[in-house]
Amino acid sequence: GENVEQHPSTLSVQEGDSAVIKCTYSDSASNYFPWYKQELGKRPQLIIDIRSNVGEKKDQRIAVTLNKTAKHFSLHITETQPEDSAVYFCAAGAGKSTFGDGTTLTVKP
Amino acid sequence: DSGVTQTPKHLITATGQRVTLRCSPRSGDLSVYWYQQSLDQGLQFLIQYYNGEERAKGNILERFSAQQFPDLHSELNLSSLELGDSALYFCASSVESKDVPQHFGDGTRLSIL
Repeated sequence: GENVEQHPSTLSVQEGDSAVIKCTYSDSASNYFPWYKQELGKRPQLIIDIRSNVGEKKDQRIAVTLNKTAKHFSLHITETQPEDSAVYFCAAGAGKSTFGDGTTLTVKP
Repeated sequence: DSGVTQTPKHLITATGQRVTLRCSPRSGDLSVYWYQQSLDQGLQFLIQYYNGEERAKGNILERFSAQQFPDLHSELNLSSLELGDSALYFCASSVESKDVPQHFGDGTRLSIL
């Protein structure tokens, strides 16, 4: 089955800086790679996703890049704001969904 | 609002008891997923249903069972509850069976006393 590793587990940045979270996956059949943001006590919310036929996708301050050859994908947040502070999860799969263990992002004002 | 409805929002019960968590997927979604999230933990995949049929199974205990009904709502049954079952249980849905879930409900917080 799919195995997803996410790094780092915690990330602290200064407001305005960029943040990058990386995930690797094992199953070459995986074709869908979403990222979720989860605030404390709330549901995970899909913030951006990418399919395997695309190398990069951008939505305002967030972007996701995918390297199929190396089997890794990354979330990039630019011009971070305190409200970006949350736990971010990556996922990969085709069916049996597999999530990374999460990255706790703290943006210091 | 994700369109995924979970009830109840909170559930407090005692060890040894049995509870049922309910989920209505987003309109048009055929696939339902259940996840368990313990305090400060990640999302543990339990089980997935697609159009009434079990599609994938994760780390679901034998004391837990689930089903998806013809109207596509799903129920997760937890029995012989233990203190360690205290967690937030999320339901999620998606259109296809091969996708990772896109829409999560607000969860049911289960507390075992």
